[in-house]
Amino acid sequence: GENVEQHPSTLSVQEGDSAVIKCTYSDSASNYFPWYKQELGKRPQLIIDIRSNVGEKKDQRIAVTLNKTAKHFSLHITETQPEDSAVYFCAASRRGNKLVFGAGTILRVKS
Amino acid sequence: NAGVTQTPKFRVLKTGQSMTLLCAQDMNHEYMYWYRQDPGMGLRLIHYSVGEGTTAKGEVPDGYNVSRLKKQNFLLGLESAAPSQTSVYFCASSRPTGKNENTEAFFGQGTRLTVV
Repeated sequence: GENVEQHPSTLSVQEGDSAVIKCTYSDSASNYFPWYKQELGKRPQLIIDIRSNVGEKKDQRIAVTLNKTAKHFSLHITETQPEDSAVYFCAASRRGNKLVFGAGTILRVKS
Repeated sequence: NAGVTQTPKFRVLKTGQSMTLLCAQDMNHEYMYWYRQDPGMGLRLIHYSVGEGTTAKGEVPDGYNVSRLKKQNFLLGLESAAPSQTSVYFCASSRPTGKNENTEAFFGQGTRLTVV
């Protein structure tokens, strides 16, 4: 079955710097890769997703890149702000199948 | 629309007791999931369902059972609770595309369960 590994487990950056979180997956048939943000005490919410027919997707300060050959994908947050502090999860899924999550990254943005 | 609603929000159980967690969604989603969240371990999939009347095991199914008798509801049962099942439980649902590919999953607010 699918296995998703996520690194780093914690990340501290200075406000205004960039943050990068990386994930690898094991199932070469996976074709959907979402990223979720979970603020303290709240439910996870989707921030961006990418499908396997696309190499990069951007939404304002957030971007995701996908390398199908290496089976890894990354979340990039530019110009970080204190409100970006949260736990971020990557996930992977193949057609008609379960959604498997990584272990999460605690991002702290210091002002 | 209420989205995804979990009942109850909090519960304390004694070891050996049983309980059922209810997840209800009003978005007509085909896929539904139950996850548990423990510190440092992310969201681990317990069971999932790709349609009414179907269920499948996830990564950590032992000690749990599920049922999807109605499309809008996904029930998670603990037959004999153990302290190791102390966790925050999240339900989620999503609608596949016409090609049966996954899309955004919407989460419930979570259920904090403590087994003493």
